[in-house]
Amino acid sequence: DIQMTQSPSTLSASVGDRVTITCRASQTVSSWLAWYQQKPGKAPELLIYKASSLESGVPSRFSGSGFGTEFTLTISSLQPDDFATYYCQQYSTYSTFGQGTKVEIK
Amino acid sequence: QLQLQESGPGLVKPSETLSLTCSVSGGSISSSSYYWGWIRQPPGKGLEWIGTVYYSGSTSYNPSLKSRVTISVDTSKNQFSLRLNSVTAADTALYYCARPARGGWDDAFDIWGLGTVVTVSS
Repeated sequence: DIQMTQSPSTLSASVGDRVTITCRASQTVSSWLAWYQQKPGKAPELLIYKASSLESGVPSRFSGSGFGTEFTLTISSLQPDDFATYYCQQYSTYSTFGQGTKVEIK
Repeated sequence: QLQLQESGPGLVKPSETLSLTCSVSGGSISSSSYYWGWIRQPPGKGLEWIGTVYYSGSTSYNPSLKSRVTISVDTSKNQFSLRLNSVTAADTALYYCARPARGGWDDAFDIWGLGTVVTVSS
């Protein structure tokens, strides 16, 4: 099965910072990669699908890139509402999630 | 707009069967998207895909859970269900039902229920 590894596990940042989270797959997933945001006590929300496509209604400060085994989620200018945990998910073969990256206030 | 809601017992004894139902509102389970999924999240941990069902009843399961999982659809009730046999404490988690975004066996999930907590304990 395909393993997904996110880095870092925790990220400390300030409002206005540019933030990048990395997700690596143990084998190629082509562009079948999604990103989610999850806040405490809430269900995950889809941000990006097919590696770089922005889900409807998601602010344009979120962007995704990558192909094959290495992917990134970038928040261009971190906003107060963005402090949360972010997960990547491959859906090339079945579905596997990364372990999560917590973005906390610096 | 489409909404999903999980229901079922919050406490299950070890070795017994966990049974949950996801009720779909705001659309028909057999026409809206056709595929429906279950995902779980152990306390303080990440997400694990359990399986996906097609409205016709065809299924795809996580290989690590396949021997213990059954997902089914009841189109007359606009619901789909999860059964997980022989549970242990490791099955304690927040269980979500969700909809694959673009209709497929392997897909991102764009609509999620609120989740329901299931604790396995005697």
